[in-house]
Amino acid sequence: EAGVAQSPRYKIIEKRQSVAFWCNPISGHATLYWYQQILGQGPKLLIQFQNNGVVDDSQLPKDRFSAERLKGVDSTLKIQPAKLEDSAVYLCASSSYLVFTDTQYFGPGTRLTVL
Amino acid sequence: QQQVKQSPQSLIVQKGGISIINCAYENTAFDYFPWYQQFPGKGPALLIAIRPDVSEKKEGRFTISFNKSAKQFSLHIMDSQPGDSATYFCAATLNTGFQKLVFGTGTRLLVSP
Repeated sequence: EAGVAQSPRYKIIEKRQSVAFWCNPISGHATLYWYQQILGQGPKLLIQFQNNGVVDDSQLPKDRFSAERLKGVDSTLKIQPAKLEDSAVYLCASSSYLVFTDTQYFGPGTRLTVL
Repeated sequence: QQQVKQSPQSLIVQKGGISIINCAYENTAFDYFPWYQQFPGKGPALLIAIRPDVSEKKEGRFTISFNKSAKQFSLHIMDSQPGDSATYFCAATLNTGFQKLVFGTGTRLLVSP
């Protein structure tokens, strides 16, 4: 079974520029998550999709971050404009969510550096 | 109240020793407690998990101990190996109709040969 795919793996931009990350979840997984992991911290949930609908975006900085999941499959996360404090690893995860305790499977992440 | 506190921040254990990582929570609405293992350059991967109606769960060399009254849980790694060197995150799950994971701050484990 193929895992969660993310691209690019690394991105370096200057502040005020925009950037987009792409995620392809495990086939058949209805639930998709985007997390932000700042160096030395645990992942923090930014947004959660169930199929192509948003079920939780309470911690998404909506003035600069946006995300979409077209057709309930792959997803993009965008930052516009980026700030220095957005430097982090952005992780995508997916789960089948057939039962509450279903495992979340994480991709390798995209490491963003904002200069 | 949605925080999960994790300690220690880093841990060095000799090969063959026992590694112990502790976590504590406040929100009694948490009802599932997974541990994730993360290697450099990789995403976290589920290691072992426990429900709060169980006091202990063992899988191979990994054991979770859960104290519901104290709102604390811990991961024990028996016979620690250099290959166990990684960052470990405890987490707690809120069942809000949708699974919501809240992660601890992580423990960087180094097992010396």
